[in-house]
Amino acid sequence: EIVLTQSPGTLSLSPGERATLSCRASQSVSSGYLAWYQQKPGQAPRLLISGASSRTTGIPDRFSGSGSGTDFTLTISRLEPEDFAVYYCQQYGSSPPYTFGQGTKLEIK
Amino acid sequence: EVQVVESGGGLVKPGGSLRLSCAASGFTFTETWMSWVRQAPGKGLEWVARIKSKTDGGTTDYAVPVKGRFTISRDDSKNTLYLQMSSLKTEDTAMYFCTAENWYTFYYWGQGALVTVSS
Repeated sequence: EIVLTQSPGTLSLSPGERATLSCRASQSVSSGYLAWYQQKPGQAPRLLISGASSRTTGIPDRFSGSGSGTDFTLTISRLEPEDFAVYYCQQYGSSPPYTFGQGTKLEIK
Repeated sequence: EVQVVESGGGLVKPGGSLRLSCAASGFTFTETWMSWVRQAPGKGLEWVARIKSKTDGGTTDYAVPVKGRFTISRDDSKNTLYLQMSSLKTEDTAMYFCTAENWYTFYYWGQGALVTVSS
């Protein structure tokens, strides 16, 4: 099983700042199979990025994804108030097919 | 407009059974792989089960903690996904999300059905 470890656990930043969230895999992940989700309290998660770097339709271009192999990054270039949420990475593998990271909480400083 | 709506959640005693349903519309359900993802209170996301489209074999996969106790199925004539849960444990308490997949990601999500396993 591929384990995804996200860091930091909590990130405290102010609106307008840049956020960098990390997702590290215990084994190499094909870039085509790494995704990022945003979840706000009381809501279902929302797909932001698939294929490590492709934004889903309707996601603002301040969100970007990068990385390959075992190290992936979600960057939010300039934080807006609505960006403060919990972010999860997810990979597709063999057994089990899907695993998630434990999440990074992005909170207002 | 895409809609994914779960139903069937509730309170059940340990060892009991429950069936969740998920009604989908606004996309081609018959061609879509579907999964259940759960989230225990205050915790992260955990994939539970997947069923492929019938054109891709209709095969199922399960997470280790639920294998042998949960059964995922689909009725393409009703655009509905199911999760039959039996031998429920307290650790199965969670919000259960129905998701539609697109290229190995969870593209559409319902709002969830809360399952509470408690005596």
